[in-house]
Amino acid sequence: SQQGEEDPQALSIQEGENATMNCSYKTSINNLQWYRQNSGRGLVHLILIRSNEREKHSGRLRVTLDTSKKSSSLLITASRAADTASYFCATEATGFQKLVFGTGTRLLVSP
Amino acid sequence: GAVVSQHPSRVICKSGTSVKIECRSLDFQATTMFWYRQFPKQSLMLMATSNEGSKATYEQGVEKDKFLINHASLTLSTLTVTSAHPEDSSFYICSASRDTTSYEQYFGPGTRLTVT
Repeated sequence: SQQGEEDPQALSIQEGENATMNCSYKTSINNLQWYRQNSGRGLVHLILIRSNEREKHSGRLRVTLDTSKKSSSLLITASRAADTASYFCATEATGFQKLVFGTGTRLLVSP
Repeated sequence: GAVVSQHPSRVICKSGTSVKIECRSLDFQATTMFWYRQFPKQSLMLMATSNEGSKATYEQGVEKDKFLINHASLTLSTLTVTSAHPEDSSFYICSASRDTTSYEQYFGPGTRLTVT
């Protein structure tokens, strides 16, 4: 399987704390994307980082990419209860348009 | 923004029947559409890629005769689950891309299929 791995599978924190999720993948990529999914709902695109980028910020989100290790991390700072959701990384492999999703991290932020 | 809709949002059907799910790009033309399946508490798995006017490309292990995909226009793709069985119960999500070189995919809200 080409599916990426994410860890942790589940993360439970208090409001105000930071949450870090990691993603590892297997192939050369054009870009890596992070998505959020609330229970039983569709996907919300959070951020895209290209293979030639190492770090990207968007609001309270910080994404890093290490292509030598084939890994990425998503940091959510000052988390809120509304950040409770599942988070998925997805990679677009070099030469392909399709996305391969990671296994996901279920984040629970308690008030 | 780029909006993708799916219809229906939920469907319950009896075992052995067929069900059609529609995916529409509302404010842009989608050269390529993708269909994913997601089982409870699992990730999204790509089922097939369809380009307007041509046959869909199915991922390994996905039965093309069971999951019929039609992409007849630049704004509509349909997925028909034929002779559905309880194990086909899942969350089906489509996404759309403006062209074959674009890395941006816009996701629909998903369709929850329950086969009884």
